[in-house]
Amino acid sequence: DIQMTQSPSFLSASVGDRVTLSCKASQNINKYLAWYQQKLGEAPKLLIYNANSLQTGIPSRFSGSGSGTDFTLTISSLQPEDVATYFCLQHNSWPYTFGAGTKLELK
Amino acid sequence: QVNLLQSRAALVKPGASVKLSCKASGYTFTDYYIHWVKQSHGKSLEWIGYINPNSGYTNYNEKFKSKATLTVDKSTNTAYMELSRLTSEDSATYYCTRRGWERPFDYWGQGVMVTVSS
Repeated sequence: DIQMTQSPSFLSASVGDRVTLSCKASQNINKYLAWYQQKLGEAPKLLIYNANSLQTGIPSRFSGSGSGTDFTLTISSLQPEDVATYFCLQHNSWPYTFGAGTKLELK
Repeated sequence: QVNLLQSRAALVKPGASVKLSCKASGYTFTDYYIHWVKQSHGKSLEWIGYINPNSGYTNYNEKFKSKATLTVDKSTNTAYMELSRLTSEDSATYYCTRRGWERPFDYWGQGVMVTVSS
């Protein structure tokens, strides 16, 4: 199975900060990486698919980049409503696998 | 609007089985595969498997092959997942979600909490 490693596990940042989250795959997954936001008590929400495509309705402050094994989710200006846990998912090969998540909180 | 409505929370005894449902609306049911995902309390997500609602074809994560059985009822646009021989390790929230040809898991059910306890 492909292992997905997210870092950091926990991040504290201030409103307006530029925030960068990392996701690394244990082998090449091409562009098949998605990012999800999960708020407490809710289902995950798709933010980014195919590494850098913004899902419909998601604010443009969210962006994704990377290919192969190294990927990044960037929030250009952190907002209070962005407090959540962020997961990456590789959908290149079976079984699909998720990262362990990055928990983002306000400083 | 697209909606995946899951069944209510379940409290089940060890060794028993439980069948979870996921009723789709707002789109053509057979156009999207239905996937199931497990989230143990406070932890990450695990992909269980998927079913093609049109053909009934299934693909499972090896880890869940002897645990989960996926089925669909096209007449009611409902997908099901049966979990068997339940243990405390199966206590978790289970989500159904759909996958189109390009976007993975763009809509999710609200999740159903399964608690295994005597």
